[in-house]
Amino acid sequence: NAGVMQNPRHLVRRRGQEARLRCSPMKGHSHVYWYRQLPEEGLKFMVYLQKENIIDESGMPKERFSAEFPKEGPSILRIQQVVRGDSAAYFCASSPRGSNEQYFGPGTRLTVT
Amino acid sequence: QQQVKQSPQSLIVQKGGISIINCAYENTAFDYFPWYQQFPGKGPALLIAIRPDVSEKKEGRFTISFNKSAKQFSLHIMDSQPGDSATYFCAPQGGSEKLVFGKGTKLTVNP
Repeated sequence: NAGVMQNPRHLVRRRGQEARLRCSPMKGHSHVYWYRQLPEEGLKFMVYLQKENIIDESGMPKERFSAEFPKEGPSILRIQQVVRGDSAAYFCASSPRGSNEQYFGPGTRLTVT
Repeated sequence: QQQVKQSPQSLIVQKGGISIINCAYENTAFDYFPWYQQFPGKGPALLIAIRPDVSEKKEGRFTISFNKSAKQFSLHIMDSQPGDSATYFCAPQGGSEKLVFGKGTKLTVNP
């Protein structure tokens, strides 16, 4: 039973480029959450999605960031025109419907040069 | 406004000792109180969690104590081992939605 999968594990982008982060939830999980972690800090909520729906995007910056969780395929977190301040570890978590428990993937470490 | 305050920021314990980490929260809508463990370069892993209808929950060497009136909960690690060295986060949640993470406690267990 595979856990939450994220790819790529490491991503290097130059300022102004686009970053696409992918998350495949655990089998049977229909809820996906994205969090961002800056060095030496806790995780900050970004967005909560169910299949084809954004439920809560209150933690997502208003510009350059978008997320989707299509009917088929992984959830995607997209960052356009990246800046140095976007450098962080991005974690995806999934949970089954009606459950509080969130299971995290290994993260994608984004470095913007 | 910081919703979740975790202390201490770092903790050093001798092998076999007791590690205690505290979390205070403000939002009375929280109804699920987990602790996560994170090793360097890895994602957080759910360690133990409690609901507000009980005051204590124990799983092996790990215990959560919950004080609803004080809006606080704590993690106790008994017989701490070097393998417990990690960063621990409290992350209360309301209504099966987002987790609100504390800033973390870096635990070091010396052999």
